[in-house]
Amino acid sequence: AQKVTQAQTEISVVEKEDVTLDCVYETRDTTYYLFWYKQPPSGELVFLIRRNSFDEQNEISGRYSWNFQKSTSSFNFTITASQVVDSAVYFCALSGFTSGTYKYIFGTGTRLKVLA
Amino acid sequence: DAGVIQSPRHEVTEMGQEVTLRCKPISGHDYLFWYRQTMMRGLELLIYFNNNVPIDDSGMPEDRFSAKMPNASFSTLKIQPSEPRDSAVYFCASSRTDVGEQYFGPGTRLTVT
Repeated sequence: AQKVTQAQTEISVVEKEDVTLDCVYETRDTTYYLFWYKQPPSGELVFLIRRNSFDEQNEISGRYSWNFQKSTSSFNFTITASQVVDSAVYFCALSGFTSGTYKYIFGTGTRLKVLA
Repeated sequence: DAGVIQSPRHEVTEMGQEVTLRCKPISGHDYLFWYRQTMMRGLELLIYFNNNVPIDDSGMPEDRFSAKMPNASFSTLKIQPSEPRDSAVYFCASSRTDVGEQYFGPGTRLTVT
């Protein structure tokens, strides 16, 4: 069975602080994909990044960076120098090929509040 | 390009009534997904289509729910009869591939009284 755990329900930081959102996953598949999505107060989910299980390179995109470690089954997301506009709910998701189809599992989300 | 379009944005209905939610995916996207989001259960995949064919409907909660995709530019999610526990935000998303980034619509907030 697949599972995604986002243990941090809510995080509050002061603007310009760095913050890391944790994501731990479980899967028996050897090929799988990990995602992060952002859900701002407007409600629409926005794609941030996708990683496949064979690519453990860390990625940086502006103030955002992702650390994928298969050894610990984690795919953590760091925002550097946070801004108020980063306030949102962030979801980690897993897609693995099981029984002939891809299964898509989302974590419960981490609500990030960035205070001015 | 227009994003994923969903209608209606809000729906309030009484228990027992039929509800139909609509989705227009992004042109050229072969995959369409229906999700439900609630406080209790989070974001759940209900069903997804590839080239208008349902691939996995294991997330559909029960027979009251049905989804169709008659063509590449239109899909519906129907609940009949609706119940208060169906109250949720229903999202439609589309993607070029089965493991590609998904583009989500604005969602339909359904309230069943």
